[in-house]
Amino acid sequence: DADVTQTPRNRITKTGKRIMLECSQTKGHDRMYWYRQDPGLGLRLIYYSFDVKDINKGEISDGYSVSRQAQAKFSLSLESAIPNQTALYFCATSAGHNEETQYFGPGTRLLVL
Amino acid sequence: GEDVEQSLFLSVREGDSSVINCTYTDSSSTYLYWYKQEPGAGLQLLTYIFSNMDMKQDQRLTVLLNKKDKHLSLRIADTQTGDSAIYFCAETSTDSWGKLQFGAGTQVVVTP
Repeated sequence: DADVTQTPRNRITKTGKRIMLECSQTKGHDRMYWYRQDPGLGLRLIYYSFDVKDINKGEISDGYSVSRQAQAKFSLSLESAIPNQTALYFCATSAGHNEETQYFGPGTRLLVL
Repeated sequence: GEDVEQSLFLSVREGDSSVINCTYTDSSSTYLYWYKQEPGAGLQLLTYIFSNMDMKQDQRLTVLLNKKDKHLSLRIADTQTGDSAIYFCAETSTDSWGKLQFGAGTQVVVTP
């Protein structure tokens, strides 16, 4: 079984709708991250969490919110989706404590019409 | 913010060596990474190098780090069709609290 899973894998929604993307991990890592990938721009950090009580904004947090429900779960919400949020979204985890290697989920492809 | 730059495209013939280059600006980089993304898949960690090293070899992969020039490269020996993918360079530093800064990715196409 995959260590980092994301649901759904694909999603089509309409402008103005609220949607949630979910991430779960079985690696026992404290740190979790949400990125979006756009062609030619690499990955950009949206939000990150270093433990259950810790939430931090990344480079491009506007229009997004997150919830760290447990050590293993980190969800990303788009409160009112807009077309320029169409992208590939990745969740990642790392152990922290001087072990910074990040492990990625398979991604969620989101299309906002 | 700090930048990581890569060329966007590389074409290589099967059996040849591929060299993917990356430059970065962060003077306090600690770890530098290479990730591989195959079509429709997430990012797979290929290898990483600590900033006090200048070379790391792992089977067909060789990572070279020139810290003075802030230049990182990934050499793939005997490139195969299965090596066709997007390769991302990323770095983290003592200032970034574990966050990764990614390059835009290099699309590698392996031709027969």
